Amino acid sequence: GAGVSQSPRYKVAKRGQDVALRCDPISGHVSLFWYQQALGQGPEFLTYFQNEAQLDKSGLPSDRFFAERPEGSVSTLKIQRTQQEDSAVYLCASSWGSGGTTYEQYFGPGTRLTVT
Amino acid sequence: DAKTTQPNSMESNEEEPVHLPCNHSTISGTDYIHWYRQLPSQGPEYVIHGLTSNVNNRMASLAIAEDRKSSTLILHRATLRDAAVYYCILRDVGTDKLIFGTGTRLQVFP
Repeated sequence: GAGVSQSPRYKVAKRGQDVALRCDPISGHVSLFWYQQALGQGPEFLTYFQNEAQLDKSGLPSDRFFAERPEGSVSTLKIQRTQQEDSAVYLCASSWGSGGTTYEQYFGPGTRLTVT
Repeated sequence: DAKTTQPNSMESNEEEPVHLPCNHSTISGTDYIHWYRQLPSQGPEYVIHGLTSNVNNRMASLAIAEDRKSSTLILHRATLRDAAVYYCILRDVGTDKLIFGTGTRLQVFP
């Protein structure tokens, strides 16, 4: 079946540009997560949605980062005025339920963002 | 968030068993132990999870120490496709986000 998809797979942005990264979760999955993965590091949590509600945005590194999931399915992560330190792979994950420790997360392939 | 400690890297030969250790001495009673792995150029994928008892699934086995301060992910017969970074993660009841460490990079040789 269809998994989590992300687009674009690769994005090169000049410093100062705005970017928008899209995530299509598995159909029917309630929870959606965004993670940031720097080279050689494990993924780091950015934000979490339960349906359309953003329940946790504690990992967003600055107010330049904004995420939305207006209809409870597709989500967009927007980064304004990109900086070189924003260069990373941005991973999206979805899971069937929420508030339960047994719900495994399904990850997309990620979007590799390079800021020049 | 509770922390886990894993070796940076391990090696195995194909078709041999692999035991990937994880220490989590500060684990709380409500923390589940999850394992994910990340193949090159892919997103992480779920492997297995457990609370107190040992667990088996088609991918691997999870052995949890009696005091829960450590666990071991067991791949019964490593294949070249098992070469990946393996992450051991503690996930509290009611917490949905995953806190990754740096994981163990497993190399498998033919």
